[in-house]
Amino acid sequence: AQSVSQHNHHVILSEAASLELGCNYSYGGTVNLFWYVQYPGQHLQLLLKYFSGDPLVKGIKGFEAEFIKSKFSFNLRKPSVQWSDTAEYFCAVNAEGSYIPTFGRGTSLIVHP
Amino acid sequence: DSGVTQTPKHLITATGQRVTLRCSPRSGDLSVYWYQQSLDQGLQFLIQYYNGEERAKGNILERFSAQQFPDLHSELNLSSLELGDSALYFCASSASGGKGDEQFFGPGTRLTVL
Repeated sequence: AQSVSQHNHHVILSEAASLELGCNYSYGGTVNLFWYVQYPGQHLQLLLKYFSGDPLVKGIKGFEAEFIKSKFSFNLRKPSVQWSDTAEYFCAVNAEGSYIPTFGRGTSLIVHP
Repeated sequence: DSGVTQTPKHLITATGQRVTLRCSPRSGDLSVYWYQQSLDQGLQFLIQYYNGEERAKGNILERFSAQQFPDLHSELNLSSLELGDSALYFCASSASGGKGDEQFFGPGTRLTVL
C-alpha cells in the first residue's frame, strides 16, 4: 500500500520568506499527486495537482510543486509567503489503478506578519 | 464555499450510542467520499460511493457504514461509539469519482464522544 510522508509537521515563517514543504510517497508506479490547503475554519481545497507532463506544476495563489520521480517527491513551494497563507497543507497521492487517495499527515504553516 | 454541505456541524454523544452524519454533494457530482481526521491519524479515507454504489473502501471499521441515496446525498452511520471515534468527519464529492478527480470537501462534522 502506498504511503505519504510530510516531514515538516509545523513550519513558522515571517512574511516574504520562501516556503518549501516536503512530500514523499512510497509507490513505484504511476501516480496522481495533489496538494490541498485548509485555511483556519474552512474546508480543504485543491491548491494544485499533477497527472502527467511538465513536472513543474503551477497552482493557485502563487504556489507551485515539482514532481521528481527519482526521489518520489512532490514538494510544494512559494517564493514569498503572506500572512494569509497560514493554513494546514496536505499532500495526497492516488496510485495507478486505485480510487483510494492517501493523504499525508499535514503540515501546519504559520506566517507571522 | 465548496458546494458540499454536511450536517450537523457538531455532535456530542456518549459511548455506545449511534449517530448519522449527512452529506450533500456539489450539484452534478456523482461521487461521494468520507474521511476521518483525527490528531493522531491524520486524514484517513473511509469509503467512496459513485452513483449509489460503493466504489472503494479504506480504513472503515465494521461499526461504521455508509450509503448513497438516489438523490446522491450520503449518510455515514457510526454505531457502538467509542471515545476514539471522536474526530472530524469530512465528506467530499467529485464529478465522476475517477482516480485523479479533484475532490471538493465539505466543512466537516466534529464528533465528540464522551
